[in-house]
Amino acid sequence: QSVLTQPPSASGTPGQRVTISCSGSSSNIGSNTVNWYQQLPGTAPKLLIYSNNQRPSGVPDRFSGSKSGTSASLAISGLQSEDEADYYCAAWDDSLNAVVFGGGTKLTVL
Amino acid sequence: QVQLVQSGAEVKKPGASVKVSCKASGYTFTGYYMHWVRQAPGQGLEWMGWINPNSGGTNYAQKFQGWVTMTRDTSISTAYMELSRLRSDDTAVYYCAREVVAATTRFDPWGQGTLVTVSS
Repeated sequence: QSVLTQPPSASGTPGQRVTISCSGSSSNIGSNTVNWYQQLPGTAPKLLIYSNNQRPSGVPDRFSGSKSGTSASLAISGLQSEDEADYYCAAWDDSLNAVVFGGGTKLTVL
Repeated sequence: QVQLVQSGAEVKKPGASVKVSCKASGYTFTGYYMHWVRQAPGQGLEWMGWINPNSGGTNYAQKFQGWVTMTRDTSISTAYMELSRLRSDDTAVYYCAREVVAATTRFDPWGQGTLVTVSS
């Protein structure tokens, strides 16, 4: 069981908007920033969103992040087939003194 | 460009040790913490710990304490992760990742991954 909770799967059709949630607690999301990673099949994870809602250069503005209290969300608008991947949230946990990840959400583009 | 290149795949027997390397280029190696994360087949990401390449200080996840050793060689900008007493459930892809800002879990970039297979 992961410290951060994500839905195991999500899906949408091309052009749709999908959101992926990440639920934590006061010791992680509630007190630290959240980052999101995209892992395409057979590749290493890639930083997608940092500091809750910032996009690294090169990441399309179709991807956005938000945080409220002890939860965070990743939104993907204008869904494309190449967005099909696994998505992970991550945060520092002050109680565990550790990095904690969500269990990952597999996004399928129908 | 900033890049992390890891050593090649390994096959080990149960009880053996494995040492994975991660060579950094394109930035000041001692200026950023290096983390190690593993991913078992079909599973999610599991954090193992970090090393401060400047001081050599480490912080291991509780699960791996006494079992993992992270070191570095600043002369060749390379970090190492050694896991001992391997079991079959240590079969995984092991990644190194540079933390852009300390204690933020902002990892960029990641190494390409090293598959470690533990099998008798």
